[in-house]
Amino acid sequence: DAKTTQPPSMDCAEGRAANLPCNHSTISGNEYVYWYRQIHSQGPQYIIHGLKNNETNEMASLIITEDRKSSTLILPHATLRDTAVYYCIVTRGISNFGNEKLTFGTGTRLTIIP
Amino acid sequence: SAVISQKPSRDICQRGTSLTIQCQVDSQVTMMFWYRQQPGQSLTLIATANQGSEATYESGFVIDKFPISRPNLTFSTLTVSNMSPEDSSIYLCSVDTSGRGTDTQYFGPGTRLTVL
Repeated sequence: DAKTTQPPSMDCAEGRAANLPCNHSTISGNEYVYWYRQIHSQGPQYIIHGLKNNETNEMASLIITEDRKSSTLILPHATLRDTAVYYCIVTRGISNFGNEKLTFGTGTRLTIIP
Repeated sequence: SAVISQKPSRDICQRGTSLTIQCQVDSQVTMMFWYRQQPGQSLTLIATANQGSEATYESGFVIDKFPISRPNLTFSTLTVSNMSPEDSSIYLCSVDTSGRGTDTQYFGPGTRLTVL
């Protein structure tokens, strides 16, 4: 799986959009970009994923650059409950049943400031 | 999505003993996984729990230390054997509900283990 690079920490004012960057310059054509987050003392939570096109769901938007070497997770109106560690993961998926896996890096610790 | 529960939620154990952690899912799922999160660290995959066959372990993890059972499509156990203080971690199970081998996984709340 391709390696990802994320800033270790970020702050964002409550109510503003939080934009979390991720670099994955070695991503290959069949690899997806996944985002998870882990709120303190909880298990990770799936947020969103994409391959090429931008994606949006009820939690967030995912913007992937045209060359797919980087992406940005956008939380449109951050709340205090969005304070968490956010993980960007690049993976081909586990369709080979064991040959692929989710590899969690160190992520970005996002703090929402009142 | 899936609702996942783990038992116990936390435990304090003595060195040399074993602890079995249970993971229960509210629906049948094809793939279940066990992760470890050491203090202040990210998650590391221990193994994939396969229903009806032996678990598939990641590099650095062995069956003698972390035996896993998967008797059906909604339940799995992870045992941490012959524990030492280095085994103090949060242990999490996760499931893939798609059945298509994607990486959209849903995680349990975790079991916080402290070994004295």
